Amino acid sequence: GENVEQHPSTLSVQEGDSAVIKCTYSDSASNYFPWYKQELGKRPQLIIDIRSNVGEKKDQRIAVTLNKTAKHFSLHITETQPEDSAVYFCAAIITQGGSEKLVFGKGMKLTVNP
Amino acid sequence: AAGVIQSPRHLIKEKRETATLKCYPIPRHDTVYWYQQGPGQDPQFLISFYEKMQSDKGSIPDRFSAQQFSDYHSELNMSSLELGDSALYFCASSLISDNSYEQYFGPGTRLTVT
Repeated sequence: GENVEQHPSTLSVQEGDSAVIKCTYSDSASNYFPWYKQELGKRPQLIIDIRSNVGEKKDQRIAVTLNKTAKHFSLHITETQPEDSAVYFCAAIITQGGSEKLVFGKGMKLTVNP
Repeated sequence: AAGVIQSPRHLIKEKRETATLKCYPIPRHDTVYWYQQGPGQDPQFLISFYEKMQSDKGSIPDRFSAQQFSDYHSELNMSSLELGDSALYFCASSLISDNSYEQYFGPGTRLTVT
């Protein structure tokens, strides 16, 4: 089955700096890669996603890149703000006969220091 | 916009008791997923339903069962509860019939087994 690796597990930056989170996946059949932000005790919130037919996608201060050949994808956050502090999960989806279960990475705790 | 609804939000049970968690997906969504998230862990896929039929099964214990009803709401039934079942249980829904893979999570049910 699919395996998603995520690193680093923690990252601390100063407000205004950039943050990068990297993930790798194992199954070349994966074709959809969402990123979720989760604050303590809250639900995972979808912040951006990318499909396998696209190499890069940007939404304001966040961007995601995908390298299908190397099977890795990354989340970039620019001009970080304290409210960006949360745990970020990457995930991959394998379509199996109508089911698209999410396989998550272990998560990265981002701390943005004011 | 309507979101995924879960009830109850908090549940405290004793060992060997049973629990029932409910999920109401976003209207028109055809797929429901259940995830379990332990403290400091990533969400783990349990089970999913597409158009009221079980579509995939993950690491769900035999003590747990789930179903989706004619109104598309889903229930996760948990019996012979163990201390290790204490976790956040999330339900997510998506509309996969239009090739939309986005999964939207409910607020979760925090289950505490004492």
